[in-house]
Amino acid sequence: GDSVTQMEGPVTLSEEAFLTINCTYTATGYPSLFWYVQYPGEGLQLLLKATKADDKGSNKGFEATYRKETTSFHLEKGSVQVSDSAVYFCALSDRGGSYIPTFGRGTSLIVHP
Amino acid sequence: NAGVTQTPKFQVLKTGQSMTLQCAQDMNHEYMSWYRQDPGMGLRLIHYSVGAGITDQGEVPNGYNVSRSTTEDFPLRLLSAAPSQTSVYFCASSYGGNEKLFFGSGTQLSVL
Repeated sequence: GDSVTQMEGPVTLSEEAFLTINCTYTATGYPSLFWYVQYPGEGLQLLLKATKADDKGSNKGFEATYRKETTSFHLEKGSVQVSDSAVYFCALSDRGGSYIPTFGRGTSLIVHP
Repeated sequence: NAGVTQTPKFQVLKTGQSMTLQCAQDMNHEYMSWYRQDPGMGLRLIHYSVGAGITDQGEVPNGYNVSRSTTEDFPLRLLSAAPSQTSVYFCASSYGGNEKLFFGSGTQLSVL
């Protein structure tokens, strides 16, 4: 079945550092890929998405590129801020299946001033 | 603009009690789903619905029931609460398959 694997956290960075959170996936079909963010005490919200190979999703300085050859969708940001501290979830939605997203376990990001 | 509304926000139950977590959306979304979030486990799908009158099981459906009599509402029923059901529950909706999910703010449930 479909699955998503994320790097374990927490990831701890200083403000303005470069961020990478790794995400790889397994899917039988041609999935769409998502990154969601959860701020403390809140529900998840969509950060970015990509629907086909080589697509790049971007939002709020975050980027991720859909790499079919490596089945990856790594999240990157060039300069993190304290306000980026949150839990980040990688997810996939398989067009050959139910379309209900499958989520990774989440990666906690802590950014220090 | 309410979006996805979950009630209650917090609930404490005793083992064996039953209760219903409410979820309503005002965006006319066809797809609705329930997830539970546990430390180190991420979000796991409990049940989902692709339209009124249609429901299906997710990854962890045991101990939970759902129904979808209207497009707006998707309640989750705990039949006989167990401590293993202590978790944070999220309801989500979307326009359709492969689309962005809109999440509620969650229900924190403790079963003693």
